[in-house]
Amino acid sequence: DSGVTQTPKHLITATGQRVTLRCSPRSGDLSVYWYQQSLDQGLQFLIQYYNGEERAKGNILERFSAQQFPDLHSELNLSSLELGDSALYFCASSGTSGSEVLFFGPGTRLTVL
Amino acid sequence: SQQGEEDPQALSIQEGENATMNCSYKTSINNLQWYRQNSGRGLVHLILIRSNEREKHSGRLRVTLDTSKKSSSLLITASRAADTASYFCATGAGSYQLTFGKGTKLSVIP
Repeated sequence: DSGVTQTPKHLITATGQRVTLRCSPRSGDLSVYWYQQSLDQGLQFLIQYYNGEERAKGNILERFSAQQFPDLHSELNLSSLELGDSALYFCASSGTSGSEVLFFGPGTRLTVL
Repeated sequence: SQQGEEDPQALSIQEGENATMNCSYKTSINNLQWYRQNSGRGLVHLILIRSNEREKHSGRLRVTLDTSKKSSSLLITASRAADTASYFCATGAGSYQLTFGKGTKLSVIP
């Protein structure tokens, strides 16, 4: 158990819908990262927050947005969903903003029908 | 875009044999890390090697890093069925996020 929690575990929804994925980092970790894992693209970095502020942005679509709240939990919002958005979405946390060890949550499996 | 590229994409060995996976990357790094992922689960950190280190050991794991060739290898000795998983290398550079490769899928046959 990494100490990072993600909800829900599974999400099935239809094209065009909007969903919110939630992540709670390990106690004391200030950085939260979101990654998308699909079969064809591998593990893609989406976005990073550090102590409530956006720190780095990766291959995140404009339809996707995220935020980190004062209690350090984070939410990833995916809107106007397409079939290609079906993937595993991972949240990870670390104690620093730099590229040190990441602790991954169990992931949310999103299926868009 | 992927920074690290693992090789081979898939590897199948008998229990007790050694497994070697390679990773190549393109740009300068501060550190290189290896992670393991059991099917559909979260990634688990295995080992980190810094750019000024050449070799590191952790239990049955041995990692080497050659910054001149921009490559790393992960050796798992005396493999067990429980080692069956996907293994990813990830590169870190300064304050940027880790960039992962597509992974090597290891199957250890009992």
